[in-house]
Amino acid sequence: GENVEQHPSTLSVQEGDSAVIKCTYSDSASNYFPWYKQELGKGPQLIIDIRSNVGEKKDQRIAVTLNKTAKHFSLHITETQPEDSAVYFCARRSDAGNMLTFGGGTRLMVKP
Amino acid sequence: DAMVIQNPRYQVTQFGKPVTLSCSQTLNHNVMYWYQQKSSQAPKLLFHYYDKDFNNEADTPDNFQSRRPNTSFCFLDIRSPGLGDAAMYLCATSRDYSNQPQHFGDGTRLSIL
Repeated sequence: GENVEQHPSTLSVQEGDSAVIKCTYSDSASNYFPWYKQELGKGPQLIIDIRSNVGEKKDQRIAVTLNKTAKHFSLHITETQPEDSAVYFCARRSDAGNMLTFGGGTRLMVKP
Repeated sequence: DAMVIQNPRYQVTQFGKPVTLSCSQTLNHNVMYWYQQKSSQAPKLLFHYYDKDFNNEADTPDNFQSRRPNTSFCFLDIRSPGLGDAAMYLCATSRDYSNQPQHFGDGTRLSIL
């Protein structure tokens, strides 16, 4: 199937620490993996994405790693700041399916 | 500048009274999507358009309909809202289907009295 499992559902870290969110998927045809950040009262905003021909991608304090063999991908946020507090959603898509399948979300709280 | 704009941000309607939510985009994208998001859950796809080609998800309730009169605008019509339809409704766009990023609006929060 096309399920995406996301863990943890809530994550609390101290400002300056790193945060890691992990997603696993079942469809081996998945080839596109975006991450979205959703702040309270706003729509999801794309923060980083990765395609299946790449193992890692970095953008300043945010990085995503992909392990196609194990079918999991992870979001890494370093030097967390209070403004990183939000709900984060992973997602995946394949060419066959066209549509995004979202994980269940992770509520990240960064304590000052 | 906002590229996917949803109006209104908050909508209150009465049980059974039809309501229309609107979405506009300045990106000139081919694909527009409507999602329903309930509290603490992931967005759930209702339907999507590639240009004027409409695609309905299998489990989208029958009282939900959509219109896309042109590239820029898309509407969600709820014919007879029930209490269970109270949610955030998100519009998104993408250039096409081939692994292009989806860009979301800030949503319309719908309340049912």
